[in-house]
Amino acid sequence: DAGVIQSPRHEVTEMGQEVTLRCKPISGHDYLFWYRQTMMRGLELLIYFNNNVPIDDSGMPEDRFSAKMPNASFSTLKIQPSEPRDSAVYFCASLAGRQGEQFFGPGTRLTVL
Amino acid sequence: QQPVQSPQAVILREGEDAVINCSSSKALYSVHWYRQKHGEAPVFLMILLKGGEQKGHDKISASFNEKKQQSSLYLTASQLSYSGTYFCGTTFGNEKLTFGTGTRLTIIP
Repeated sequence: DAGVIQSPRHEVTEMGQEVTLRCKPISGHDYLFWYRQTMMRGLELLIYFNNNVPIDDSGMPEDRFSAKMPNASFSTLKIQPSEPRDSAVYFCASLAGRQGEQFFGPGTRLTVL
Repeated sequence: QQPVQSPQAVILREGEDAVINCSSSKALYSVHWYRQKHGEAPVFLMILLKGGEQKGHDKISASFNEKKQQSSLYLTASQLSYSGTYFCGTTFGNEKLTFGTGTRLTIIP
């Protein structure tokens, strides 16, 4: 398996623009997690899905952020409108079963100017 | 509810040992340990479940003390490849992982 795939790897955009981050989890994994990493706040969980259903979105910072998982092999995290404080590395991770190794994708480095 | 790690950073010479601690203010169900190298994604090291079990592979091991709500990661005879930032992650009975503040480990020759 290719592992968790994320795109794009780097995104530079201007404040106010819409940003869409994409993730393909490992086939057969039933959990998908979106994390954000910054120097100030560390590695934060934004939202996670089980069998394509959002389970906990308490980490989503505000209404500008939304996430979807239309099927078992694809998820998106959207920011609209983007702000400079959204600049961070966004990771997607997938998991098989409730406890165990979460496999992280390579991350998307987002810069909002 | 974010677990607190100590120390925040440590510098070792190759071959020395290190201990990284992870403390929670809430009763733990499991503790996960990850290592992240600069510019890369976190990589899983091990998981410890409620029960005080000690786990390890190669020269990296960990313990879990339920009563103290703590876990410790032990790195013995450190190698250059051990450099990176170590994160503990805690769960409280479900699959939601809350990561600690991180410990930056630097190994020098």
